[in-house]
Amino acid sequence: DIQMTQSPSSVSASVGDRVTITCRANQNINSWLVWYQQKPGKAPKLLIYLGSVLQSGVPSRFSGSGYGTDFTLTISSLQPEDFATYYCQQASSFPLTFGGGTKVEIK
Amino acid sequence: QLQLQESGPGLVKPSETLSLTCSVSGGSITSDNYYWAWIRQPPGKGLEWVVGIFHTGTTYYNPSLQSRVSVSVDPSKNQFSLTLTSVTAADTAVYFCAPFSTSQGYFAPWGQGTQVSVSS
Repeated sequence: DIQMTQSPSSVSASVGDRVTITCRANQNINSWLVWYQQKPGKAPKLLIYLGSVLQSGVPSRFSGSGYGTDFTLTISSLQPEDFATYYCQQASSFPLTFGGGTKVEIK
Repeated sequence: QLQLQESGPGLVKPSETLSLTCSVSGGSITSDNYYWAWIRQPPGKGLEWVVGIFHTGTTYYNPSLQSRVSVSVDPSKNQFSLTLTSVTAADTAVYFCAPFSTSQGYFAPWGQGTQVSVSS
């Protein structure tokens, strides 16, 4: 199984801050990396797929980068609605696996 | 536009069988573009992929659950179903269904999720 490790597990930030979340795979997954946002009591929402492709309707302040084993999700200017938990997921091989999540909290 | 809705009992007794159904609308479950997946989330924890099934019956399992999981597709009802046997408290979770895009590698859109508690 491919293990996905996210860091940090939580981050405190203010509105307007730049936030970066890292996801690392324990083996090469090329660009098969997806990012989701989840708010309490809701289903995850797709943000980015294939490492860097922004899902339609997702604000451009979200961006993804990386290839191989190391990936990054960046929120360029944090907005109030961005406080949530973010998960990465590898789609390189079954079983599909998720990172442990990063909670973005209000500072 | 695809929409998915989970249904099933919210409470299951230990050692019994959990059965859930996902109803798909806005698209056909026989599409070649998707695997149909179950994902769960224990309270306060992260996401765990459980199983995925293609309309042909090809199935991929989470190895940690494979011995207790079965899944099926019903094209006549545009539904797919999950069965998890011999449940314990560790199976308490919100269960989501979602299509997995075979070309893009993502789950979207997700069902709203259904809470399943295992308790006597």
